[in-house]
Amino acid sequence: QSVLTQPPSASGTPGQRVTISCSGNSSNIGRNSVNWYQQLPGTAPKVLIYENNQRPSGVPDRFSGSKSGTSASLAISGLQSEDEADYYCATWDVSLIVFGGGTKLTVL
Amino acid sequence: QVQLQESGPGLVKPSETLSLTCTVSGGSISGSGYYWTWIRQPPGKGLEWIGYIYYSGSTNYNPSLKSRLSISLDTSKNQFSLKLSSVTAADRAVYYCARERHTQYLNYFDSWGQGTLVTVSS
Repeated sequence: QSVLTQPPSASGTPGQRVTISCSGNSSNIGRNSVNWYQQLPGTAPKVLIYENNQRPSGVPDRFSGSKSGTSASLAISGLQSEDEADYYCATWDVSLIVFGGGTKLTVL
Repeated sequence: QVQLQESGPGLVKPSETLSLTCTVSGGSISGSGYYWTWIRQPPGKGLEWIGYIYYSGSTNYNPSLKSRLSISLDTSKNQFSLKLSSVTAADRAVYYCARERHTQYLNYFDSWGQGTLVTVSS
């Protein structure tokens, strides 16, 4: 069981907006910034959002992140077929990094 | 653009030690501001942070693995390594090395290796 809680699955049709939640507590999300990673099938994860809402260069602005209290969210607007992947939230919890269990996003 | 590449045996016998090396190119592991990290992912499951080593040699390990774990650095070869002892089937996973950018205000994994599958079997 992961320290951070994500829905195991999410889905949407092309063009839709989907959100993925990540729930933690006061020792992790409540006091640290949250990062989001995208893992395409058969590949290594790559950072999508860092410091709650910052996008690395090259990441489309369709991806956005937010954090409130002990929860965080990843939003994907204008959903595309290539967005079909696993998404993980992550943050520090005292002295170690913890990940969410991952959300498998299906583009219908 | 820094690149990381894992190497090591893909098959380890139960109770033996799993050893992997990550070779870093396009950047030095001797600089500050980065944690050189190992992460693993059992097939079909989520990510688990194993631990990191800093260029100074200081380490930080996942408490669940700490008693079996050792991460070391070889600056002359621009490599860092993982040793996990007394492995069982539960240690079967894809092992990734990654670089965590870590400053006062930023911390995230900005570069990853492609990953290597390690199977534990006799």
